[in-house]
Amino acid sequence: QKEVEQDPGPLSVPEGAIVSLNCTYSNSAFQYFMWYRQYSRKGPELLMYTYSSGNKEDGRFTAQVDKSSKYISLFIRDSQPSDSATYLCAMAHALNFGKGTSLLVTP
Amino acid sequence: GAGVSQSPSNKVTEKGKDVELRCDPISGHTALYWYRQSLGQGLEFLIYFQGNSAPDKSGLPSDRFSAERTGGSVSTLTIQRTQQEDSAVYLCASSADRANTEAFFGQGTRLTVV
Repeated sequence: QKEVEQDPGPLSVPEGAIVSLNCTYSNSAFQYFMWYRQYSRKGPELLMYTYSSGNKEDGRFTAQVDKSSKYISLFIRDSQPSDSATYLCAMAHALNFGKGTSLLVTP
Repeated sequence: GAGVSQSPSNKVTEKGKDVELRCDPISGHTALYWYRQSLGQGLEFLIYFQGNSAPDKSGLPSDRFSAERTGGSVSTLTIQRTQQEDSAVYLCASSADRANTEAFFGQGTRLTVV
């Protein structure tokens, strides 16, 4: 079993929708959780970074960690076409990445 | 520089040739990672350097792949006797230290083996 699982999508939503992206993981020792955004032909860029359980909000983005369920989420409010990218979750010292979810926000 | 720099940005090589890919991490970052990303795939971990410790090579797919990091800064990923299945984007990332897991990525080297 891969340590980090992420639905690759693609996920297509209309502009203004709330987007929910999720990952599950198997290693209960993971403490650090990150979301990266990757535009086509670019390197991933760090979007959100959380430690342990709880929520973290940054503008239109909210990262949520539920360690009891080994489940993390990224919510995007009022999605914009510029949010169209691949979103990758990562855990524990950036060694464990999900496959990434491809998101398309249509005007 | 301000970010992680990788060179070359693109590399086309013939099957069987050796290639070297270079990564300049952010100044002062002690941790350096190499990943491979094939079309439509996630990031495949290759190797991890942390300071002067022995690198974690557990992700290297075969003995044709090797990497070194000189002086705790610049790193070179070498692929010997390249195969077509080696075609991918090779990404390098660095972070400040082992406990700081905010890794910053370079733009990658797109390798095409023909």
